Amino acid sequence: LAKTTQPISMDSYEGQEVNITCSHNNIATNDYITWYQQFPSQGPRFIIQGYKTKVTNEVASLFIPADRKSSTLSLPRVSLSDTAVYYCLVGAMNTGFQKLVFGTGTRLLVSP
Amino acid sequence: KAGVTQTPRYLIKTRGQQVTLSCSPISGHRSVSWYQQTPGQGLQFLFEYFSETQRNKGNFPGRFSGRQFSNSRSEMNVSTLELGDSALYLCASSSRTDEKLFFGSGTQLSVL
Repeated sequence: LAKTTQPISMDSYEGQEVNITCSHNNIATNDYITWYQQFPSQGPRFIIQGYKTKVTNEVASLFIPADRKSSTLSLPRVSLSDTAVYYCLVGAMNTGFQKLVFGTGTRLLVSP
Repeated sequence: KAGVTQTPRYLIKTRGQQVTLSCSPISGHRSVSWYQQTPGQGLQFLFEYFSETQRNKGNFPGRFSGRQFSNSRSEMNVSTLELGDSALYLCASSSRTDEKLFFGSGTQLSVL
């Protein structure tokens, strides 16, 4: 199983770009990398997903180097409402849900 | 499109009792998976159902069980509750055609 490592917490200010890195040295060939955002008393919410290189959507970018042993979630110009816990998830449902590995989460605090 | 609905939102039980949690997936999603989230262990996979069959199972004791109905709604049951079962129980649905999980808001279970 891929083991994932994320920073426990990060601090930022409104308007700044935030980059959160997840290490996953044992990632398997078929594994995807997915990032979720979770607010207190809510379930995780899908942010972005990638397999390799760079993916961008309307809220974030995901950078994955060629060796795929890490990934970086980039949040441009964060606001107070981006204060949440961010999880990386490594795995592929089609190879078995029991192989899905959630990171321990990074608590992002955005200040005015 | 309605999201994933979990009921109840909060539950308080005592040791030895049993509990049943309910999850209604997004319309059209046939896969429902369950997770336990605790501050110490993070997000851990319990089991996944697809078309009324348990397809994947995590490393939890037999006290944790589930089922899925023909309309894809799912229930999770925990028997002989222990103090350590206190957690946020999340269900997620997916179409299985992509690698995205859509989570409900969870059921916060407290065992006294």
